[in-house]
Amino acid sequence: QVQLVESGGGVVQPGRSLRLSCVASGFIFSNYGMHWVRQAPGKGLEWVAVIWFDGSDKYYADSVKGRFTISRDSSKRTLYLQMSSLRAEDTAVYYCARELNPYYFDSWGQGTLVTVSS
Amino acid sequence: QTVVTQEPSFSVSPGGTVTLTCGLSSGSVSTSYYPSWYQQTPGQAPRTLIYNTNTRSSGVPDRFSGSILGNKAALTITGAQADDESDYYCVLSLTTGIWVFGGGTKLTVL
Repeated sequence: QVQLVESGGGVVQPGRSLRLSCVASGFIFSNYGMHWVRQAPGKGLEWVAVIWFDGSDKYYADSVKGRFTISRDSSKRTLYLQMSSLRAEDTAVYYCARELNPYYFDSWGQGTLVTVSS
Repeated sequence: QTVVTQEPSFSVSPGGTVTLTCGLSSGSVSTSYYPSWYQQTPGQAPRTLIYNTNTRSSGVPDRFSGSILGNKAALTITGAQADDESDYYCVLSLTTGIWVFGGGTKLTVL
């Protein structure tokens, strides 16, 4: 079955960087677009970024544009989110999600918590 | 910036029917935004309920249905059960490469 497992979260100081990973299994990773979605404590879901199935295109929410970079390594079946210049408001649980046609998220990881604090 | 709107909270009696909506701060929601709906309980990852406006995801009971009502997307729960008490989120694919979640609706069943 489809499984997505995130890792890499932790406590990081403002202004520093962190890289999240999401390892996929149970499906042909290189056939699907992949997303990052986050949820601040006690808040709603926020879409963060998407990468096309072949990595040819990437899009970001305005709140992270220029600071976050989404990437993927199909040989490792892994999705990444490189986060830099982190701010307190980036504190959230970060989920990876698989996109199915048309334009929805059908599978989610369990999430990894990122806390930005001095 | 486009904002996707949802009722912050809603209450329904067990066995009752409730319709949650998903609108836009400016303009109307149409099927071309491919609205989808997700259910989330505290501490859990979201669960996909409805996609492409009105298609139920695999394993979702038929008491959940999606539609367009007026200028909004809608999620209707018919015959609400206690374990439907959750947060519900809609998301719209506004244009190529841009998805926006609504703020979510906290549904209470009592």
